[in-house]
Amino acid sequence: QKEVEQNSGPLSVPEGAIASLNCTYSDRGSQSFFWYRQYSGKSPELIMFIYSNGDKEDGRFTAQLNKASQYVSLLIRDSQPSDSATYLCAVNQYSGGGADGLTFGKGTHLIIQP
Amino acid sequence: GAGVSQTPSNKVTEKGKYVELRCDPISGHTALYWYRQSLGQGPEFLIYFQGTGAADDSGLPNDRFFAVRPEGSVSTLKIQRTERGDSAVYLCASSHSSTSEAFFGQGTRLTVV
Repeated sequence: QKEVEQNSGPLSVPEGAIASLNCTYSDRGSQSFFWYRQYSGKSPELIMFIYSNGDKEDGRFTAQLNKASQYVSLLIRDSQPSDSATYLCAVNQYSGGGADGLTFGKGTHLIIQP
Repeated sequence: GAGVSQTPSNKVTEKGKYVELRCDPISGHTALYWYRQSLGQGPEFLIYFQGTGAADDSGLPNDRFFAVRPEGSVSTLKIQRTERGDSAVYLCASSHSSTSEAFFGQGTRLTVV
């Protein structure tokens, strides 16, 4: 059974600070790792995906992957109230950014306090 | 259309009835995915189409669930003999190819009473 674990939160972070979201996964064969943002009542939207160990930066977002520890994280710098949402970690066994067979965690509810 | 369109947005049905949920992907997207999301959970994979064929149906929970995409565009998810446990938001996503970013529709909220 493939599992993706996330702390459900809520995680409360002051505006302007760095928000750190963490995720662990059970399947060592996982190849691609995704972070989605989901606002309440809305559909998930892709923030980033990563498939190599190390860091990947895109604007205020940095994804970090450590395959040996089976750990993925997302850092959000200069957090804004509009970043308040549920952040979903997802993994799959295929390389590339497609959505075939993604296994999602339950998500972490992030609250940015003005 | 500009995005993935799902209809209806809400569906209430009685236990034991048959339902069809429709997904109209972004024009030109060959890959189409169905997921379902229960309250407080992450999305759960159901099925993936590449063109007209189901390339991966490993997530379909049982034989009451079936999906088609006859012309490689619109897809229909069909659920027979619905059960209360089928209540969830059914999400459809599409992508240009099997390795490119997928865009989700707004979902169909199915309630089985």
